[in-house]
Amino acid sequence: QKEVEQNSGPLSVPEGAIASLNCTYSDRGSQSFFWYRQYSGKSPELIMSIYSNGDKEDGRFTAQLNKASQYVSLLIRDSQPSDSATYLCAVMSGGFKTIFGAGTRLFVKA
Amino acid sequence: GAVVSQHPSWVICKSGTSVKIECRSLDFQATTMFWYRQFPKQSLMLMATSNEGSKATYEQGVEKDKFLINHASLTLSTLTVTSAHPEDSSFYICSARDPTSLSSYNSPLHFGNGTRLTVT
Repeated sequence: QKEVEQNSGPLSVPEGAIASLNCTYSDRGSQSFFWYRQYSGKSPELIMSIYSNGDKEDGRFTAQLNKASQYVSLLIRDSQPSDSATYLCAVMSGGFKTIFGAGTRLFVKA
Repeated sequence: GAVVSQHPSWVICKSGTSVKIECRSLDFQATTMFWYRQFPKQSLMLMATSNEGSKATYEQGVEKDKFLINHASLTLSTLTVTSAHPEDSSFYICSARDPTSLSSYNSPLHFGNGTRLTVT
């Protein structure tokens, strides 16, 4: 079982719609969770961090965490073509290591 | 804040030669930096944790004699790919934690711009 799992996609949504990205992780002791966006050929950039169960909103982005289900999600409201990228879920497990999922490719159609 | 600079952004080298990649924290001190590698259409894989003033910690399967890491100061870590081969061609990215976070031990990573290595 992979430590951090994501649907590779591609996920295609029309402009203005809500994009929903999901992630599950295997280490029940994980405490820190992150979403990164990576454009083709570029390094990842941080979108959000979440540490507690529930929702965390930042602009058009909402991260959701459910530790009991070992599940993290990212919602992007009012999706824009510029949101088209690969979204990486990352989980910090024991020992300071941050483990990344394979990423979900998102396409926002104009 | 938390700017990580990486150089070079791309490099082409011949098989058998060595390549050095530099990673600098520009506006903060980083006692620990993390080196990742990303093959096309794959995720980031942690190669090693670079520790200032001590030996790096390598992940399982990563050859420490091939990927030499030196973290000689609080703002500079280097990765040297020795005797590079075409299978070492990849995107190498360094990162460090946000030092401004109240709880820096679990704060997010900030990445350099990456180095695309092509070995011919």
